[in-house]
Amino acid sequence: RKEVEQDPGPFNVPEGATVAFNCTYSNSASQSFFWYRQDCRKEPKLLMSVYSSGNEDGRFTAQLNRASQYISLLIRDSKLSDSATYLCGDTGGFKTIFGAGTRLFVKA
Amino acid sequence: EPEVTQTPSHQVTQMGQEVILRCVPISNHLYFYWYRQILGQKVEFLVSFYNNEISEKSEIFDDQFSVERPDGSNFTLKIRSTKLEDSAMYFCATGWAGKDEKLFFGSGTQLSVL
Repeated sequence: RKEVEQDPGPFNVPEGATVAFNCTYSNSASQSFFWYRQDCRKEPKLLMSVYSSGNEDGRFTAQLNRASQYISLLIRDSKLSDSATYLCGDTGGFKTIFGAGTRLFVKA
Repeated sequence: EPEVTQTPSHQVTQMGQEVILRCVPISNHLYFYWYRQILGQKVEFLVSFYNNEISEKSEIFDDQFSVERPDGSNFTLKIRSTKLEDSAMYFCATGWAGKDEKLFFGSGTQLSVL
């Protein structure tokens, strides 16, 4: 199965900033994508699904660009509590392939 | 909120020993998965399981590994003869939809092979 690539970061941003992450995938047949959040030494937790039409949940917006084979996550008005590693997941069939994650540090 | 439960949270074993990691899925979920994460590395897929059969498995999931749902409740991962490189966090995940679905993870079992 082909890979999922993410910029490992870290992204260091002040509170209130807007930050965006991209994730590229190489399997053009991939159907479903998700963003997960992982805190240090904890399990991944689903953040949101990603659709071609875009998906917004409060301060978070996810987008899928099939032509360029990437997905994005935009976080507006960053909070200290947003500090975590963000994983993109390429879900096809009965498995999800994760990227290595992008680390975000939000500073006061 | 329903959650996936994993036991034990930590397991220390000697190289060559067998270990069994346990997971209790969310009650109405039918699809079960094991993932692992070596310290500092990505979350890697091991195996998916549905209706008492393996649906997919990765190259990591070799003959040393096996999964089963022995009592209709627990979902287990057995490593027959552990190696040093098996040291990792093992996450169980479950879902209700099967293909192309979102996952709900347990809090993991940290396995240390000495």
